[in-house]
Amino acid sequence: DVVLTQTPPTLSATIGQSVSISCRSSQSLLHSNGNTYLHWLLQRPGQSPQLLIYSVSRLESGVPNRFSGSGSGTDFTLKISGVEAEDLGVYYCVQGTHAPYTFGAGTKLELK
Amino acid sequence: VQLVESGGGLVQPGKSLKLSCSASGFTFSSYGMHWIRQAPGKGLDWVAYISSSSGTVYADAVKGRFTISRDNAKNTLYLQLNSLKSEDTAIYYCARSSHYFDYWGQGVMVTVSS
Repeated sequence: DVVLTQTPPTLSATIGQSVSISCRSSQSLLHSNGNTYLHWLLQRPGQSPQLLIYSVSRLESGVPNRFSGSGSGTDFTLKISGVEAEDLGVYYCVQGTHAPYTFGAGTKLELK
Repeated sequence: VQLVESGGGLVQPGKSLKLSCSASGFTFSSYGMHWIRQAPGKGLDWVAYISSSSGTVYADAVKGRFTISRDNAKNTLYLQLNSLKSEDTAIYYCARSSHYFDYWGQGVMVTVSS
């Protein structure tokens, strides 16, 4: 099974600060159809997860453009350029390339 | 797009439960669907997937105990949970789309305890 290793587990930030979260996969997430199904989710406190970034770098509709994703193969990064209060919560990477599908352990973004 | 889970509750170890996920706002029959769970205070844990053509995949932890199914005429996804264990206690979410996990329901709580 694919293991996704997310770092750091906790991130403390001030409003306006830029932060990055890393997600490393135990194997390449490049699908045989040429797509890379690595996505980023945000789970705000008491809410269901929501999709932020799909296929490494594509912004889901309605998501602010301060969120960006990058990477390829086994190394991926989510960047928030200027944290806002509404960004607080737990971020997960998830892979939809290889079944069984797997999630990273999560990164909790807190206010410093 | 709306996904609404139901059927959760308190159940004794070894018993069974059936969860439902009612879908609306999209052509349900065209999409693969997932069940994902989250134990209290823990991260997300993928459980099972069913394709639009009803092919299925399961996590090892639930294989042989859980069954995912769908009724396209009712726009409903199901998860039959058998031989429940305390470690199955979690919020269970349904999510749309084979590769993308793009829409999630609000979740339903399953508590396994005597």
